[in-house]
Amino acid sequence: DAKTTQPTSMDCAEGRAANLPCNHSTISGNEYVYWYRQIHSQGPQYIIHGLKNNETNEMASLIITEDRKSSTLILPHATLRDTAVYYCIVRVGTGTASKLTFGTGTRLQVTL
Amino acid sequence: DAGVTQSPTHLIKTRGQQVTLRCSPKSGHDTVSWYQQALGQGPQFIFQYYEEEERQRGNFPDRFSGHQFPNYSSELNVNALLLGDSALYLCASSLGLGRTYEQYFGPGTRLTVT
Repeated sequence: DAKTTQPTSMDCAEGRAANLPCNHSTISGNEYVYWYRQIHSQGPQYIIHGLKNNETNEMASLIITEDRKSSTLILPHATLRDTAVYYCIVRVGTGTASKLTFGTGTRLQVTL
Repeated sequence: DAGVTQSPTHLIKTRGQQVTLRCSPKSGHDTVSWYQQALGQGPQFIFQYYEEEERQRGNFPDRFSGHQFPNYSSELNVNALLLGDSALYLCASSLGLGRTYEQYFGPGTRLTVT
């Protein structure tokens, strides 16, 4: 699985958009970008995933650059409950493998 | 619909002892993966069980073993505990063979080795 690079921490004011970047310059053509988050003392929670097109669901939007070497997770209106560690993961999205390789993630602090 | 459940919530063991952690997957899921999360780190993959067999394994010694039962629940066993085994142990369930992209995680078992 390709290695990802994320900032260690970020701050965001409540109600504003939180934009979390991720670099994955060695991504292969069959690898998907996944985002999970982990709120303190809980297990990780799936947010969104994509291959090359931008994706949106009820939680967030995922913007993947055309060369697929980086992506941005967007939380459109961050709330205090979005304070968590956000993990960007790249892995093969189909087939038998479902292992997730976590890095250290980005610690997002949402403030009043 | 119950999500992934794990037991116990917390556990304290002494070096050299053995421990068994338990996981019940989300209803309808047949694959269970185990992860170890040390303080301040991201979860690290231990192994995955599907159809009662270990299908993938991460870089963990043989002291870590597991089992999956016919009802898809799973156990993680750790023998000869070391201080470095102190961590949060997470169980995640999914549908096997890549039929779903999303893994559902339980709340974890906090293991402290003294």
